[in-house]
Amino acid sequence: AQSVTQLDSHVSVSEGTPVLLRCNYSSSYSPSLFWYVQHPNKGLQLLLKYTSAATLVKGINGFEAEFKKSETSFHLTKPSAHMSDAAEYFCVVSDATGGFKTIFGAGTRLFVKA
Amino acid sequence: GAVVSQHPSWVICKSGTSVKIECRSLDFQATTMFWYRQFPKQSLMLMATSNEGSKATYEQGVEKDKFLINHASLTLSTLTVTSAHPEDSSFYICSARDFRGQPQHFGDGTRLSIL
Repeated sequence: AQSVTQLDSHVSVSEGTPVLLRCNYSSSYSPSLFWYVQHPNKGLQLLLKYTSAATLVKGINGFEAEFKKSETSFHLTKPSAHMSDAAEYFCVVSDATGGFKTIFGAGTRLFVKA
Repeated sequence: GAVVSQHPSWVICKSGTSVKIECRSLDFQATTMFWYRQFPKQSLMLMATSNEGSKATYEQGVEKDKFLINHASLTLSTLTVTSAHPEDSSFYICSARDFRGQPQHFGDGTRLSIL
């Protein structure tokens, strides 16, 4: 069975400093992994995806994530936080079991201080 | 990029009425659509998966007769909350994907408030 754990319920950083949002996954098959961002009262926007190609994935708005199979991790990073990055971030895993059913992490709220 | 439109974005209605939420894929054929429910400050909970032309597959604990899902075309799925009550108040989000399977594209959600 697949699962995903976001290790921090909230992260607070200062504007201009690096961002690290942690995600660990469990999957019986070769997983696809995604990071989505949700702003208040909005749907989800895809930041980036890993689907068995390059392990370092670059996404929109300067975000990137590295797939580490040995550590079963897919942490999201950004070199320099911007105020507009403040939002909820979800790590998502999907594999061939159950027809690519997607499993969401609990989410990490990112706060960015001026 | 792929766009999913969800309508309405906000609805307030009296207890006992039925509410229909539409989810449309605007620039691709959505072979599969998903409906999620999200409680405040929580993650998304998958309610059901619908494939075009087939009956929806509901997750355990989701009442089929309460949450009616129709996916009659490759661009439209609807969720009808029947005889809605205050406990049905929530944020409902749809998503859609095409035949390639990945990734899902999300609508902006519908805030449902039952008085």
